[in-house]
Amino acid sequence: AQTVTQSQPEMSVQEAETVTLSCTYDTSESDYYLFWYKQPPSRQMILVIRQEAYKQQNATENRFSVNFQKAAKSFSLKISDSQLGDAAMYFCAYRSINTGTASKLTFGTGTRLQVTL
Amino acid sequence: NAGVTQTPKFQVLKTGQSMTLQCAQDMNHNSMYWYRQDPGMGLRLIYYSASEGTTDKGEVPNGYNVSRLNKREFSLRLESAAPSQTSVYFCASRDNAGTEAFFGQGTRLTVV
Repeated sequence: AQTVTQSQPEMSVQEAETVTLSCTYDTSESDYYLFWYKQPPSRQMILVIRQEAYKQQNATENRFSVNFQKAAKSFSLKISDSQLGDAAMYFCAYRSINTGTASKLTFGTGTRLQVTL
Repeated sequence: NAGVTQTPKFQVLKTGQSMTLQCAQDMNHNSMYWYRQDPGMGLRLIYYSASEGTTDKGEVPNGYNVSRLNKREFSLRLESAAPSQTSVYFCASRDNAGTEAFFGQGTRLTVV
């Protein structure tokens, strides 16, 4: 079974600074997806960024980028120019590439990000 | 486009009471999921459904039942609620050919 580990329960960053959230995972599969979800106080789960394991290039979405190290099974999220609206719980998630069944998301325990002035 | 709709948003139950959480999606997705979120534990899968008429257990199915009524709807039932089922419940759906899962807004359930 796949596992996802987020070792930082809480992080803090000053506005306009850069912060990196860590995520490691364990799997025996070679093809899979990795995701970062943001959960603000509204509880809504918002997809921030995704990475396909077969792509060597790291995904980027505006101020959000990932450092995907497949051999190390590491998938960190970098937030540049942090904004107050970035304050939220962030979840790392894994899903196998399996079109035959409803392949499931496996989540880490989350990192709560605080953004200070 | 409503996406994934969960009802109710909040609920308080007494121990031993039963209730059904409703979930509906209007995106014609095949797969639907129920997760629970607890502090320090992330989201854990309760049950999922790959298609209408099929359901399978996830990581924490005990104390729950589900029904995939049709392609749109996937309900979660607590037959005899226990305080350990106090949690936030999320429904999600995904097209089998798609990458992204779409989540409802969650139901905060408290069992006293």
